[in-house]
Amino acid sequence: AQRVTQPEKLLSVFKGAPVELKCNYSYSGSPELFWYVQYSRQRLQLLLRHISRESIKGFTADLNKGETSFHLKKPFAQEEDSAMYYCAPPFYGGATNKLIFGTGTLLAVQP
Amino acid sequence: EPEVTQTPSHQVTQMGQEVILRCVPISNHLYFYWYRQILGQKVEFLVSFYNNEISEKSEIFDDQFSVERPDGSNFTLKIRSTKLEDSAMYFCANGDTDTQYFGPGTRLTVL
Repeated sequence: AQRVTQPEKLLSVFKGAPVELKCNYSYSGSPELFWYVQYSRQRLQLLLRHISRESIKGFTADLNKGETSFHLKKPFAQEEDSAMYYCAPPFYGGATNKLIFGTGTLLAVQP
Repeated sequence: EPEVTQTPSHQVTQMGQEVILRCVPISNHLYFYWYRQILGQKVEFLVSFYNNEISEKSEIFDDQFSVERPDGSNFTLKIRSTKLEDSAMYFCANGDTDTQYFGPGTRLTVL
């Protein structure tokens, strides 16, 4: 079964502290993995995808196939990073790729 | 930058009534999706649509649900006879083969 696990519902850190948002997946084959973010009262938006290997807003994520994980990391959290973060691998179904969302982690960055 | 829009932002209806949720996609993006999020739960895939037909649908997407692009532009989700458990946030997404862009959502409340 296709499953995504985000074990933390809430992660609270102080500004300047490192952040790691955990994501584990169960998926056969070589997964593509995305992180989506939803800031307060805004729409879901793509933060980054592992295949691009980019760093967006200081966030990075490394796919670890051995641990089946795709944790999101940032060395120094900022208050504006406070948001809901979703790990979401796409799964191919015919011509389209549905996203399977994790339960999400609310990141709260304290001043 | 063009964005996906959805109308209405909030819909209140009586149980058993039909509702139509509308999505205005980004032009030239040919892949369409509907997702929903029941309060306190994760975002769930409902259906994907490409080339004027359903590509994939979830178990949630039963005979009470339908989708179409009636004018070749707007993308609609119809629920024929709403149930209390249909109360949720409904997100439209539109994109190319790699990325999905989400609308702001329609909050459906069934009384």
